[in-house]
Amino acid sequence: TQLLEQSPQFLSIQEGENLTVYCNSSSVFSSLQWYRQEPGEGPVLLVTVVTGGEVKKLKRLTFQFGDARKDSSLHITAAQPGDTGLYLCAGPDNNAGNMLTFGGGTRLMVKP
Amino acid sequence: DVKVTQSSRYLVKRTGEKVFLECVQDMDHENMFWYRQDPGLGLRLIYFSYDVKMKEKGDIPEGYSVSREKKERFSLILESASTNQTSMYLCASNHRSSVYNEQFFGPGTRLTVL
Repeated sequence: TQLLEQSPQFLSIQEGENLTVYCNSSSVFSSLQWYRQEPGEGPVLLVTVVTGGEVKKLKRLTFQFGDARKDSSLHITAAQPGDTGLYLCAGPDNNAGNMLTFGGGTRLMVKP
Repeated sequence: DVKVTQSSRYLVKRTGEKVFLECVQDMDHENMFWYRQDPGLGLRLIYFSYDVKMKEKGDIPEGYSVSREKKERFSLILESASTNQTSMYLCASNHRSSVYNEQFFGPGTRLTVL
């Protein structure tokens, strides 16, 4: 069974601070996705990383896929209250073609 | 703009009631999914459908059934609702040919069973 573990589970920071959240596994994934879920809404896809060592940027968000494709990180620079939400990583299930394995998520609160 | 809609954002039902949750997507996706989301447990797959009238059990199918009579619509049915089915229910969809299995989610239905 492939598992994705996210850390930290909770993070509360002040506006303007930087932060990094992690998504780790003992299994190799062909790709990993990051979703953000705002309170009371469904998850929305932010990015997919595909190649080991890949770095993708989305404004103040930087996503990295580990060289061995077993982990990924999300770094937010100068966090804003609009970044508040649940950040989920997910990867294709190697044993079930169309399914995703989800991490437990990191709940981020950015205080003004 | 791609869209997945769910019939209700909030629902309150009584124990023993039959509950229908509806999901509609306008992207001509073959695959549709039902998840429940609970604090500390993440997203857990209830059922998956890869075509009209086709379904597969997910990780936690007990107490639930599904119906896919049309490609765009996937229904989740709680035959006899129980309090432990109080949860956030999320519907998602994607194309069968999706390379990375990226899924598009609806806004969710927060169900409370009293």
